[in-house]
Amino acid sequence: KNQVEQSPQSLIILEGKNCTLQCNYTVSPFSNLRWYKQDTGRGPVSLTIMTFSENTKSNGRYTATLDADTKQSSLHITASQLSDSASYICVLREGAGKSTFGDGTTLTVKP
Amino acid sequence: SQTIHQWPATLVQPVGSPLSLECTVEGTSNPNLYWYRQAAGRGLQLLFYSVGIGQISSEVPQNLSASRPQDRQFILSSKKLLLSDSGFYLCAWTVGGYNEQFFGPGTRLTVL
Repeated sequence: KNQVEQSPQSLIILEGKNCTLQCNYTVSPFSNLRWYKQDTGRGPVSLTIMTFSENTKSNGRYTATLDADTKQSSLHITASQLSDSASYICVLREGAGKSTFGDGTTLTVKP
Repeated sequence: SQTIHQWPATLVQPVGSPLSLECTVEGTSNPNLYWYRQAAGRGLQLLFYSVGIGQISSEVPQNLSASRPQDRQFILSSKKLLLSDSGFYLCAWTVGGYNEQFFGPGTRLTVL
Protein backbone atom coordinates (compact mmCIF):
# COMPACT_ATOMS: atom_id res chain seq x y z
CA LYS A 1 0.00 0.00 0.00
CA ASN A 2 1.35 3.37 -1.01
CA GLN A 3 2.11 5.60 1.93
CA VAL A 4 0.78 8.58 -0.04
CA GLU A 5 -2.66 8.03 -1.54
CA GLN A 6 -4.18 10.63 -3.83
CA SER A 7 -7.78 10.92 -4.89
CA PRO A 8 -9.47 11.08 -7.21
CA GLN A 9 -7.22 9.39 -9.76
CA SER A 10 -8.65 11.65 -12.44
CA LEU A 11 -11.05 14.55 -12.56
CA ILE A 12 -12.80 16.49 -15.30
CA ILE A 13 -14.23 19.93 -14.61
CA LEU A 14 -15.49 22.87 -16.61
CA GLU A 15 -13.45 26.00 -16.99
CA GLY A 16 -14.14 28.49 -14.22
CA LYS A 17 -15.18 25.87 -11.67
CA ASN A 18 -13.37 25.10 -8.43
CA CYS A 19 -12.02 21.71 -7.44
CA THR A 20 -10.29 20.02 -4.53
CA LEU A 21 -7.72 17.25 -4.76
CA GLN A 22 -7.01 14.99 -1.80
CA CYS A 23 -3.85 13.47 -0.39
CA ASN A 24 -3.93 10.98 2.48
CA TYR A 25 -0.65 9.83 3.93
CA THR A 26 0.77 7.48 6.50
CA VAL A 27 4.33 8.76 6.30
CA SER A 28 5.46 9.90 9.74
CA PRO A 29 7.41 11.86 10.68
CA PHE A 30 8.04 14.13 7.76
CA SER A 31 9.72 17.48 7.29
CA ASN A 32 7.49 18.97 4.61
CA LEU A 33 4.60 18.24 2.28
CA ARG A 34 4.67 19.56 -1.26
CA TRP A 35 2.23 19.79 -4.10
CA TYR A 36 3.58 19.75 -7.64
CA LYS A 37 1.97 20.40 -11.00
CA GLN A 38 3.23 18.27 -13.87
CA ASP A 39 2.26 19.08 -17.42
CA THR A 40 2.28 16.16 -19.84
CA GLY A 41 5.82 15.30 -20.87
CA ARG A 42 7.40 17.86 -18.55
CA GLY A 43 9.07 17.84 -15.17
CA PRO A 44 7.02 18.63 -12.05
CA VAL A 45 6.89 22.23 -10.91
CA SER A 46 6.40 23.12 -7.27
CA LEU A 47 3.14 24.78 -6.27
CA THR A 48 3.26 24.81 -2.48
CA ILE A 49 5.46 23.55 0.31
CA MET A 50 4.30 23.22 3.92
CA THR A 51 6.10 22.09 7.01
CA PHE A 52 4.28 19.73 9.35
CA SER A 53 3.38 22.69 11.58
CA GLU A 54 1.67 24.72 8.85
CA ASN A 55 -2.04 24.42 8.10
CA THR A 56 -2.40 26.27 4.83
CA LYS A 57 -0.34 27.75 2.04
CA SER A 58 -1.53 29.67 -1.01
CA ASN A 59 0.01 30.30 -4.39
CA GLY A 60 -2.32 32.37 -6.52
CA ARG A 61 -5.39 30.29 -7.31
CA TYR A 62 -3.88 27.27 -5.58
CA THR A 63 -4.42 26.73 -1.85
CA ALA A 64 -3.02 23.74 0.00
CA THR A 65 -4.15 22.65 3.45
CA LEU A 66 -2.62 20.23 5.89
CA ASP A 67 -4.30 18.45 8.79
CA ALA A 68 -1.63 16.59 10.72
CA ASP A 69 -4.22 14.98 13.01
CA THR A 70 -6.08 13.23 10.23
CA LYS A 71 -2.97 12.98 8.02
CA GLN A 72 -4.68 14.63 5.12
CA SER A 73 -3.76 17.38 2.72
CA SER A 74 -5.83 18.98 0.03
CA LEU A 75 -5.13 21.21 -2.93
CA HIS A 76 -7.93 23.58 -3.83
CA ILE A 77 -7.95 25.20 -7.25
CA THR A 78 -10.12 28.26 -7.67
CA ALA A 79 -11.63 29.51 -10.92
CA SER A 80 -9.98 26.81 -13.00
CA GLN A 81 -8.38 27.61 -16.33
CA LEU A 82 -7.64 25.41 -19.33
CA SER A 83 -3.95 25.65 -18.44
CA ASP A 84 -4.66 23.94 -15.12
CA SER A 85 -5.04 20.65 -17.01
CA ALA A 86 -2.15 18.59 -15.66
CA SER A 87 -1.21 15.95 -13.13
CA TYR A 88 -1.01 17.13 -9.52
CA ILE A 89 1.36 15.27 -7.26
CA CYS A 90 1.51 15.19 -3.47
CA VAL A 91 4.96 14.52 -2.01
CA LEU A 92 6.11 13.98 1.55
CA ARG A 93 9.73 14.64 2.35
CA GLU A 94 11.02 12.45 5.13
CA GLY A 95 14.75 13.00 5.06
CA ALA A 96 17.71 14.22 3.10
CA GLY A 97 17.37 11.64 0.37
CA LYS A 98 13.90 10.34 0.89
CA SER A 99 10.65 11.57 -0.53
CA THR A 100 7.46 9.60 -1.00
CA PHE A 101 5.40 10.51 -4.04
CA GLY A 102 1.73 9.97 -4.63
CA ASP A 103 0.62 8.66 -8.01
CA GLY A 104 -0.99 11.98 -8.81
CA THR A 105 -4.42 13.22 -9.82
CA THR A 106 -4.95 13.95 -13.48
CA LEU A 107 -7.05 17.07 -13.88
CA THR A 108 -8.72 17.97 -17.16
CA VAL A 109 -10.32 21.38 -17.50
CA LYS A 110 -12.77 21.63 -20.38
CA PRO A 111 -14.10 24.79 -21.99
CA SER B 1 19.05 31.96 -11.24
CA GLN B 2 19.31 28.23 -11.08
CA THR B 3 18.51 26.02 -14.04
CA ILE B 4 18.66 22.31 -14.66
CA HIS B 5 19.28 20.68 -18.02
CA GLN B 6 18.66 17.17 -19.19
CA TRP B 7 19.49 15.56 -22.48
CA PRO B 8 18.46 14.06 -24.66
CA ALA B 9 14.78 14.99 -24.45
CA THR B 10 13.71 11.76 -26.09
CA LEU B 11 15.53 8.55 -26.83
CA VAL B 12 14.62 5.30 -28.55
CA GLN B 13 17.04 2.45 -27.92
CA PRO B 14 17.04 -1.27 -28.72
CA VAL B 15 17.08 -3.86 -25.95
CA GLY B 16 20.61 -4.67 -24.88
CA SER B 17 22.08 -1.34 -25.93
CA PRO B 18 23.89 0.99 -23.51
CA LEU B 19 22.42 4.15 -22.03
CA SER B 20 23.78 7.46 -20.90
CA LEU B 21 21.54 10.29 -19.72
CA GLU B 22 23.06 13.51 -18.54
CA CYS B 23 21.87 16.13 -16.10
CA THR B 24 23.59 19.41 -15.30
CA VAL B 25 22.67 22.17 -12.90
CA GLU B 26 23.62 25.82 -13.21
CA GLY B 27 23.59 28.62 -10.69
CA THR B 28 24.15 26.65 -7.51
CA SER B 29 26.95 24.88 -5.70
CA ASN B 30 27.07 21.53 -3.95
CA PRO B 31 23.49 20.55 -4.75
CA ASN B 32 21.91 17.25 -3.80
CA LEU B 33 21.09 15.54 -7.09
CA TYR B 34 18.45 12.91 -7.82
CA TRP B 35 17.40 10.57 -10.61
CA TYR B 36 13.76 9.49 -10.76
CA ARG B 37 11.82 7.28 -13.13
CA GLN B 38 8.13 7.76 -13.80
CA ALA B 39 6.03 5.05 -15.41
CA ALA B 40 2.93 6.14 -17.30
CA GLY B 41 0.21 7.28 -14.88
CA ARG B 42 2.33 6.52 -11.85
CA GLY B 43 4.28 8.40 -9.25
CA LEU B 44 7.97 9.08 -9.31
CA GLN B 45 10.32 6.33 -8.20
CA LEU B 46 13.64 7.45 -6.75
CA LEU B 47 16.53 5.63 -8.44
CA PHE B 48 19.64 7.38 -7.16
CA TYR B 49 20.64 10.41 -5.18
CA SER B 50 23.95 12.09 -4.55
CA VAL B 51 25.05 14.52 -1.86
CA GLY B 52 28.46 15.18 -3.42
CA ILE B 53 31.01 14.30 -6.08
CA GLY B 54 31.49 10.55 -6.28
CA GLN B 55 28.83 9.89 -3.63
CA ILE B 56 25.93 7.84 -4.95
CA SER B 57 23.11 6.18 -3.04
CA SER B 58 20.94 3.64 -4.78
CA GLU B 59 17.34 3.21 -3.78
CA VAL B 60 16.27 0.39 -6.06
CA PRO B 61 18.41 -2.52 -7.27
CA GLN B 62 18.40 -2.65 -11.06
CA ASN B 63 20.60 -2.67 -14.10
CA LEU B 64 21.07 1.10 -13.94
CA SER B 65 23.95 2.99 -12.39
CA ALA B 66 24.70 6.63 -11.67
CA SER B 67 27.81 8.71 -11.46
CA ARG B 68 28.64 12.24 -10.37
CA PRO B 69 31.94 13.20 -11.95
CA GLN B 70 31.53 16.90 -11.23
CA ASP B 71 29.68 18.94 -8.62
CA ARG B 72 26.85 19.90 -10.94
CA GLN B 73 26.78 16.89 -13.26
CA PHE B 74 24.81 13.70 -12.70
CA ILE B 75 24.82 10.82 -15.18
CA LEU B 76 22.49 7.84 -15.41
CA SER B 77 23.85 4.82 -17.25
CA SER B 78 23.15 1.27 -18.21
CA LYS B 79 25.33 -1.32 -19.93
CA LYS B 80 22.37 -3.25 -21.34
CA LEU B 81 18.87 -1.83 -21.48
CA LEU B 82 15.79 -3.90 -20.73
CA LEU B 83 12.28 -3.35 -22.02
CA SER B 84 11.25 -2.49 -18.47
CA ASP B 85 13.66 0.46 -18.48
CA SER B 86 11.27 2.42 -20.67
CA GLY B 87 9.87 5.45 -18.91
CA PHE B 88 10.22 9.12 -18.19
CA TYR B 89 13.47 9.94 -16.41
CA LEU B 90 13.67 13.04 -14.31
CA CYS B 91 16.67 14.69 -12.71
CA ALA B 92 16.13 16.93 -9.70
CA TRP B 93 18.18 18.99 -7.27
CA THR B 94 17.96 20.59 -3.87
CA VAL B 95 20.33 22.65 -1.80
CA GLY B 96 20.30 21.09 1.63
CA GLY B 97 18.44 17.97 2.55
CA TYR B 98 14.99 19.34 3.29
CA ASN B 99 14.49 22.19 0.91
CA GLU B 100 12.33 22.48 -2.15
CA GLN B 101 13.20 20.10 -4.96
CA PHE B 102 13.48 21.36 -8.53
CA PHE B 103 13.02 19.08 -11.50
CA GLY B 104 14.53 19.05 -14.95
CA PRO B 105 12.50 18.76 -18.16
CA GLY B 106 12.88 14.98 -18.30
CA THR B 107 13.99 12.39 -20.84
CA ARG B 108 11.46 10.06 -22.47
CA LEU B 109 13.18 6.69 -22.99
CA THR B 110 11.61 4.00 -25.12
CA VAL B 111 13.31 0.63 -25.24
CA LEU B 112 12.23 -1.53 -28.18
